[in-house]
Amino acid sequence: SQQGEEDPQALSIQEGENATMNCSYKTSINNLQWYRQNSGRGLVHLILIRSNEREKHSGRLRVTLDTSKKSSSLLITASRAADTASYFCATDNAGNMLTFGGGTRLMVKP
Amino acid sequence: KAGVTQTPRYLIKTRGQQVTLSCSPISGHRSVSWYQQTPGQGLQFLFEYFSETQRNKGNFPGRFSGRQFSNSRSEMNVSTLELGDSALYLCASSLVPSGGAETQYFGPGTRLLVL
Repeated sequence: SQQGEEDPQALSIQEGENATMNCSYKTSINNLQWYRQNSGRGLVHLILIRSNEREKHSGRLRVTLDTSKKSSSLLITASRAADTASYFCATDNAGNMLTFGGGTRLMVKP
Repeated sequence: KAGVTQTPRYLIKTRGQQVTLSCSPISGHRSVSWYQQTPGQGLQFLFEYFSETQRNKGNFPGRFSGRQFSNSRSEMNVSTLELGDSALYLCASSLVPSGGAETQYFGPGTRLLVL
């Protein structure tokens, strides 16, 4: 079962534009993580935000977390063609068990 | 440091056969988790091992099993393969399990096709 649901499912933008992806989840969490996956390959960890944090930055990435709304957003600024990938949010449950959302497929056109 | 490695990368089996997939975690990492990714069900947690012990198990039938060795390497086995087992199987490692606060590093995956 999927805890998180990403919105939109697919997003197409031009290089240089910003991309925003949203994630909603159902139960309370300790942490929320965002991952990137290129074309059916392994997942690359992007950022982890703890439940007591509201915003976190890493390079061109900005993640927000609203625990009252059980939602998070990932903003990629000044997107590049190399950012084309699927992006997943993942929430923790017990131990190291991550529950992933369905993902957002991002296409950045040069 | 070498990343998480998974072998084999691609595998074709027929229904009813069994398969064993291998995962070598990042050096020093002791926690290994396995995930199945399919177009229909997305990414789903299979199980997690730490110190050769299974800590958590996802909602999969008993045909799916795994183990971890003393060097932290892990294997997962699927017996009596079904067409629906066709998927990308991903392994992830972390230093220790810590309620999701530890970053998990994923391998490239093993793509299994069941005919």
